[in-house]
Amino acid sequence: AQKITQTQPGMFVQEKEAVTLDCTYDTSDPSYGLFWYKQPSSGEMIFLIYQGSYDQQNATEGRYSLNFQKARKSANLVISASQLGDSAMYFCAMREGSRDLRNQFYFGTGTSLTVIP
Amino acid sequence: EAGVAQSPRYKIIEKRQSVAFWCNPISGHATLYWYQQILGQGPKLLIQFQNNGVVDDSQLPKDRFSAERLKGVDSTLKIQPAKLEDSAVYLCASSLVRGLQETQYFGPGTRLLVL
Repeated sequence: AQKITQTQPGMFVQEKEAVTLDCTYDTSDPSYGLFWYKQPSSGEMIFLIYQGSYDQQNATEGRYSLNFQKARKSANLVISASQLGDSAMYFCAMREGSRDLRNQFYFGTGTSLTVIP
Repeated sequence: EAGVAQSPRYKIIEKRQSVAFWCNPISGHATLYWYQQILGQGPKLLIQFQNNGVVDDSQLPKDRFSAERLKGVDSTLKIQPAKLEDSAVYLCASSLVRGLQETQYFGPGTRLLVL
């Protein structure tokens, strides 16, 4: 089974509107972290927001918020007041708890967001 | 604070040639990753270093790919010989391990085209 599923290959949003990018995850580990990254056409992956599995409140970072629904295993990214510069690929990722140093970091296939003026 | 540096940014080679990529992580970051990102896909881990030791290279095609991190700072990733399917963006990332909240910081990537 896929560890991270992003079902929206492409999304469009009007400038200044809000948009939600979907992400579901699969893990049996009670300890995990969820991340969202933005990848503009330049190629660099930019860290946006983090949510821990034990965090009681949804994470927020400026115009980004993470709608964390643990029972449904979803971690949707909400971007408020979209800007033209938000046009990019967005990747959801998960790190499972690990007792050793090995990376257990999984990326989804990404969602391409286009902001329309 | 300077970010993760990678070079070159672009490389075009013919199949069966060799190529090397360089990465300089954020100062103080002990963990370094190399990812391969094929067009339209998410990054796939190739190798993880902790200081100068390899932690995980289970997905590295060792018959043609090699990587090293001498002195636990800079790292190089080499492909020899290259195949057409190696065309991808090679991303380097570094992190300070902080338990679950291990945020990886990525470099700009090297875009490789194998003809």
